[in-house]
Amino acid sequence: NAGVTQTPKFRILKIGQSMTLQCTQDMNHNYMYWYRQDPGMGLKLIYYSVGAGITDKGEVPNGYNVSRSTTEDFPLRLELAAPSQTSVYFCASNNIEYSNQPQHFGDGTRLSIL
Amino acid sequence: DQQVKQNSPSLSVQEGRISILNCDYTNSMFDYFLWYKKYPAEGPTFLISISSIKDKNEDGRFTVFLNKSAKHLSLHIVPSQPGDSAVYFCAASPNTGNQFYFGTGTSLTVIP
Repeated sequence: NAGVTQTPKFRILKIGQSMTLQCTQDMNHNYMYWYRQDPGMGLKLIYYSVGAGITDKGEVPNGYNVSRSTTEDFPLRLELAAPSQTSVYFCASNNIEYSNQPQHFGDGTRLSIL
Repeated sequence: DQQVKQNSPSLSVQEGRISILNCDYTNSMFDYFLWYKKYPAEGPTFLISISSIKDKNEDGRFTVFLNKSAKHLSLHIVPSQPGDSAVYFCAASPNTGNQFYFGTGTSLTVIP
């Protein structure tokens, strides 16, 4: 049971570079989410998706883009990396068909921008 | 603005004793509450949840209590075990259901 898989686990970027954080889930969940966690802080929602082709902004969307072309994949794109985007990024998924359901998380991507 | 707050960054408890982790929230629209456990270098894993129609939910050694009038919830772990040492996050969701708001976490250390 893979669950939610994130790649890469670690990455160092230079200011102004771009990259895509990958997230895939094999649970056929309709909802997917991207969070960031800064030191000493809780998880902040960046973007979420309620199904293929549908995405929406969370609390902290600036500097990021997402797409959802399939149920399984939900990549997060950083176009012009800035030091403020140094963080640990978590992808999550769940199914909210009839009622609230807990989210399943990946193990995170630790991103440093220098 | 932090809508879900965990005011204790850390907690130490002796093995076998009770651990009580606290969480406060400000948004009266929240009606679904969860606790997650997180080990280093791993993602959060779901522990236990409670809906606003209940004031208590138990699952083995873990019990969550909800006090809606005080906008407060707590997680009780009895008895505490060294393997419970982790960071615990509380989270809350409004009745629209698709956004979760997380607290800043409490690092629990259970001393053998």
